[in-house]
Amino acid sequence: SAVISQKPSRDICQRGTSLTIQCQVDSQVTMMFWYRQQPGQSLTLIATANQGSEATYESGFVIDKFPISRPNLTFSTLTVSNMSPEDSSIYLCSVAGQGSIYGYTFGSGTRLTVV
Amino acid sequence: DAKTTQPPSMDCAEGRAANLPCNHSTISGNEYVYWYRQIHSQGPQYIIHGLKNNETNEMASLIITEDRKSSTLILPHATLRDTAVYYCIVRVGGGTSYGKLTFGQGTILTVHP
Repeated sequence: SAVISQKPSRDICQRGTSLTIQCQVDSQVTMMFWYRQQPGQSLTLIATANQGSEATYESGFVIDKFPISRPNLTFSTLTVSNMSPEDSSIYLCSVAGQGSIYGYTFGSGTRLTVV
Repeated sequence: DAKTTQPPSMDCAEGRAANLPCNHSTISGNEYVYWYRQIHSQGPQYIIHGLKNNETNEMASLIITEDRKSSTLILPHATLRDTAVYYCIVRVGGGTSYGKLTFGQGTILTVHP
């Protein structure tokens, strides 16, 4: 299965600022997904990112708040913009590999605290 | 994708089998059952998936009822390291088709000595 490197692993940010999270995959993948996990909660899908097209956002998430880039088949970024304490969460990227029998692989996540 | 129902928590003694149930009564014919687990502070880890036949791999066994409305994940010899949140997910397609995973609340499995 694919190996995902996600950076940063954690950060503490001031409200009103923005943070860009990077997701690097060791193989080419068609679809990449970004999830949010709020404290004590399950994972919620933010958006799906395909290379060469605009990301598709789930209900409740908008591009202005969570802009996503997908410049090639091995890399994506998620930006959390104009942060507030309510954005404190773990953000995870995930990929579905070409021909993989293992389903989906997840990164180790970015633990964000907004103060 | 069909909705799943899991008990919020379960306990299991170390060395014993852990049987985690999942109800998915509205599952469609082309939807697979996936199981993932999330150990504290880590990303979810794939365990197993199946369509209608029982499946087994090095981690676990998956038993799907004949009507496919429920399934059970079996960890045959639970260890302390199996303490995690276990998610049962149903979605269209198998391992080589794509689409989002929708996570429910999962089952917190606690393995105790």
